[in-house]
Amino acid sequence: GAGVSQSPRYKVTKRGQDVALRCDPISGHVSLYWYRQALGQGPEFLTYFNYEAQQDKSGLPNDRFSAERPEGSISTLTIQRTEQRDSAMYRCASSLRIYNEQFFGPGTRLTVL
Amino acid sequence: KNEVEQSPQNLTAQEGEFITINCSYSVGISALHWLQQHPGGGIVSLFMLSSGKKKHGRLIATINIQEKHSSLHITASHPRDSAVYICAAPPGGGADGLTFGKGTHLIIQP
Repeated sequence: GAGVSQSPRYKVTKRGQDVALRCDPISGHVSLYWYRQALGQGPEFLTYFNYEAQQDKSGLPNDRFSAERPEGSISTLTIQRTEQRDSAMYRCASSLRIYNEQFFGPGTRLTVL
Repeated sequence: KNEVEQSPQNLTAQEGEFITINCSYSVGISALHWLQQHPGGGIVSLFMLSSGKKKHGRLIATINIQEKHSSLHITASHPRDSAVYICAAPPGGGADGLTFGKGTHLIIQP
């Protein structure tokens, strides 16, 4: 079956615009995670879901960042009023259950001009 | 929050050498992850282990829960093993996203 997919793969936007990043997890995977990776750095946790419930959003930098997974499958990470410091690779991962091995998507490279 | 430390940060070795990458963490965990990030940026899960040792091909991962330490070994290293290797652990306190080490940049020269 297909792995984790993300879209778009690249997004260039102007400061102040809103962006929506999509993650399509492996079919049947209950847990879905969002991470952010700045250039040359390791990933950092943003938020995660079990089914449609957002379990932990402690890693979201501020209230411009939000995420949803309304039907327990596809998830969207939304960044409102983007700023240049939001530029990074945004990665999604999914796992069959909580505490299981995580499978990572290819990421969305966001550039805010 | 779990503090995850990796060493070395950079490692250059000759083809065929035995490679060891170390990871230590500060908070007791259910399982530790080893990941590989390719030069193209993709991340692949190598191991998730909670005790003892796991082996997959030329890769071996070990963990000592009491000492909060894990190692990743590569036997008979090859240039295609060149990548960034990252260990990651749950943050503890009931939270479940991973806390990542800064990664070890490995280069295997022919």
